[in-house]
Amino acid sequence: GAVVSQHPSWVICKSGTSVKIECRSLDFQATTMFWYRQFPKQSLMLMATSNEGSKATYEQGVEKDKFLINHASLTLSTLTVTSAHPEDSSFYICSASHTGIPNTEAFFGQGTRLTVV
Amino acid sequence: GENVEQHPSTLSVQEGDSAVIKCTYSDSASNYFPWYKQELGKRPQLIIDIRSNVGEKKDQRIAVTLNKTAKHFSLHITETQPEDSAVYFCAASIGGGSYIPTFGRGTSLIVHP
Repeated sequence: GAVVSQHPSWVICKSGTSVKIECRSLDFQATTMFWYRQFPKQSLMLMATSNEGSKATYEQGVEKDKFLINHASLTLSTLTVTSAHPEDSSFYICSASHTGIPNTEAFFGQGTRLTVV
Repeated sequence: GENVEQHPSTLSVQEGDSAVIKCTYSDSASNYFPWYKQELGKRPQLIIDIRSNVGEKKDQRIAVTLNKTAKHFSLHITETQPEDSAVYFCAASIGGGSYIPTFGRGTSLIVHP
């Protein structure tokens, strides 16, 4: 199956700093990628939909100035957590589906465990 | 928008027993229903999916049924094994230009040896 690579898999940062997480589709193009946040033993909470070449669409309650999303190419989307605080500590995971093949399986990255100290 | 309800939140079975996880959805326009398995600390992975033009699909010990009229779909695992222990998520999505899956809250399946 298709591969989505997410980097880094874990990161520890100091409060107030920014952290960038990358999501790459390795063997297919993805016009749209999705960013999720997952708390322990909970479901995947959609944060935003990343659109190649245009602005991301954020879900209600998600601060777009805090969670910056850039989708500069058909294979790369980045999520930057700006001025991180301990409450931003979580598991962040991205997913992508094949461009041009609507309504198909979503492939997930391996996730990023963010710890803000 | 779409709303997906998933039950139960936790399911504990003995090895060899069957396990059933149920989901309901709200938008009748949804036409793609995947199921994902997520092991601890790992990414969700697709285990089976079904489309609205099919009522049932089976893959070895795993089967999914869909009732479009009632707007619910279920995952059935037979002859459960300890390695089936994981969190299972159902999802529903609406076809068209912007595919956005809505996930259920997840079911933690524990298979006791």
